[in-house]
Amino acid sequence: KNEVEQSPQNLTAQEGEFITINCSYSVGISALHWLQQHPGGGIVSLFMLSSGKKKHGRLIATINIQEKHSSLHITASHPRDSAVYICAFHYGGSQGNLIFGKGTKLSVKP
Amino acid sequence: GAVVSQHPSWVICKSGTSVKIECRSLDFQATTMFWYRQFPKQSLMLMATSNEGSKATYEQGVEKDKFLINHASLTLSTLTVTSAHPEDSSFYICSAPLAGESYEQYFGPGTRLTVT
Repeated sequence: KNEVEQSPQNLTAQEGEFITINCSYSVGISALHWLQQHPGGGIVSLFMLSSGKKKHGRLIATINIQEKHSSLHITASHPRDSAVYICAFHYGGSQGNLIFGKGTKLSVKP
Repeated sequence: GAVVSQHPSWVICKSGTSVKIECRSLDFQATTMFWYRQFPKQSLMLMATSNEGSKATYEQGVEKDKFLINHASLTLSTLTVTSAHPEDSSFYICSAPLAGESYEQYFGPGTRLTVT
């Protein structure tokens, strides 16, 4: 049983396009992360949120607790945004119990 | 922002040997660190929780005698893969939360292990 589903799995966009990546989960969560993983493997935490909306530069993350759904938006996409974007959530009140999605591979073409 | 480093970034070893991976919090203290691994085209999975001054706790299915974890100080946790096998080849990542913070995590850059 998949507790977290991301869509789409793969996404190709042209530079400048607005991008949305979705994450749905099936259990009650404590907090949700959006992570960025570059081809070399390193992971950067983009957002951690438990309600509402957060914005950082061209990135926006939203979460709807009632609908068990979160979205990551990228405005004015750029080739350097090409990476795998992963949503992950905490459950059970534990800092370490992170359940990771399989990721969305984004390629932004110039 | 907080920084977590890992060493080495990649390692190739022969089957049967042991490999040590270090995870350091560079500008903050971490009483807890987490070790994850990621097999190709798979999700990251939590392996174990490293606790400073006490034994690590392992997730179900992870052999504690094979994956030795030592959290020797407030800034260093090590993962030793003992008697490595080709099936241990994976990407290993550590993370550390800031003390007192709720769920904020800082991830290391990862270590790619290849066992031949």
